[in-house]
Amino acid sequence: QKEVEQNSGPLSVPEGAIASLNCTYSDRVSQSFFWYRQYSGKSPELIMSIYSNGDKEDGRFTAQLNKASQYVSLLIRDSQPSDSATYLCAVRAYRDDKIIFGKGTRLHILP
Amino acid sequence: GAGVSQSPSNKVTEKGKDVELRCDPISGHTALYWYRQSLGQGLEFLIYFQGNSAPDKSGLPSDRFSAERTGGSVSTLTIQRTQQEDSAVYLCASSLEWQGLGGYTFGSGTRLTVV
Repeated sequence: QKEVEQNSGPLSVPEGAIASLNCTYSDRVSQSFFWYRQYSGKSPELIMSIYSNGDKEDGRFTAQLNKASQYVSLLIRDSQPSDSATYLCAVRAYRDDKIIFGKGTRLHILP
Repeated sequence: GAGVSQSPSNKVTEKGKDVELRCDPISGHTALYWYRQSLGQGLEFLIYFQGNSAPDKSGLPSDRFSAERTGGSVSTLTIQRTQQEDSAVYLCASSLEWQGLGGYTFGSGTRLTVV
């Protein structure tokens, strides 16, 4: 059974600080890794994709991938109240038929 | 279209009635997926389509659930004899290809309430 594990939170971070969200996955052949943001009452929105080991930066967001440790993380710099949401980690293996989602980490940015 | 379109956005139905949920994917996206999300829960995979074909229906919760896709575009998820446990947000997503490496784009969902 392929699994994606996340701490459910809530994770509370002061405004302006760095928020660090973590995720582990069980399937070693996973090749695509995603972070989705979901505001309350809204559908998930893709914010980051990463395919290779290392860091990928996009604005205030940095995704980090370590395939040897089967670990993915998302860093949010200069956290803003608008970053308060649930963040879903998701993984996909090539030639797999669907993306597997974690249950999400609830992030709360404290003004 | 520009995004994944789902209708209706909200549906309240009486227990035992049948409902149809519709999804119109992004134009040109060959893969289409249905998930559902119960209150405070994660995303539960239901079924996917590659073109008009649904190779794996094992994610459907019961035989009251069925789905079809026509013309490689619009998909309909049908729930027969609805039960209260069917209450959830039903999300549709599409992607450019089926067994590729890309992520999905989700629609805004249909919130189903069975009373």
